[in-house]
Amino acid sequence: QVQLHESGPGLVKPSGTLSLTCAVSGDSISSVTWWSWIRQPPGKGLEWVGEVYHTGKTNYNPSLKSRVTISADMSKNQFSLSVNSVTAADTAIYYCARKGPGYLDVWGRGTLVTVSS
Amino acid sequence: QSALTQPPSASGSPGQSVTISCTGTSSDVGAYPYVSWYQQFPAKAPKLIIYEVNKRPSGVPDRFSGSKSGNMASLTVSGLQAEDEADYYCSAFAGTNTFWLFGGGTKLTVL
Repeated sequence: QVQLHESGPGLVKPSGTLSLTCAVSGDSISSVTWWSWIRQPPGKGLEWVGEVYHTGKTNYNPSLKSRVTISADMSKNQFSLSVNSVTAADTAIYYCARKGPGYLDVWGRGTLVTVSS
Repeated sequence: QSALTQPPSASGSPGQSVTISCTGTSSDVGAYPYVSWYQQFPAKAPKLIIYEVNKRPSGVPDRFSGSKSGNMASLTVSGLQAEDEADYYCSAFAGTNTFWLFGGGTKLTVL
């Protein structure tokens, strides 16, 4: 059974950097698939943030591309998200997920990140 | 690029059928066979219920079905049950510049 688990600070100061990690079990991030981040502001809809392939290739939401970095660590079987210059608008539940050819089939439980001083 | 357009709410009585629309453009929904639907309960992660327009993952009841016509995709829930009350989101591939879009979500209420 594939499981994903997000971890990282729940509170980040404005203008700081949000950093999260997604630990994968039951599958290898070296497999032929993409690994994604999605976020959901409280009470609002889903927004695709970006994705990484085990080769290091990445794709990003154009609206976030200048501030986002996603990377994969095969030795730890995990992938990470970094968002810099954060504002209150980046406050959201952040989910990591495994992506098939055109869908997200396994999701983590999500972690709430609040941007506040 | 804008999110896909979904009605904010939908409702039906137990046993009835409800259809939720997801309207995109010829650059996303209309262009590729990669439309998926997700079910989300309060304080839970989304769950995949339809992928590639009309395919169901193992374990998803056949009461859930998907379709697409032109730039609009649809999710139909037949034989509504109280347990179907949740938020539903569509998603579509939008090419190699925009990549992935979500709809704004539809809250389904079982009356």
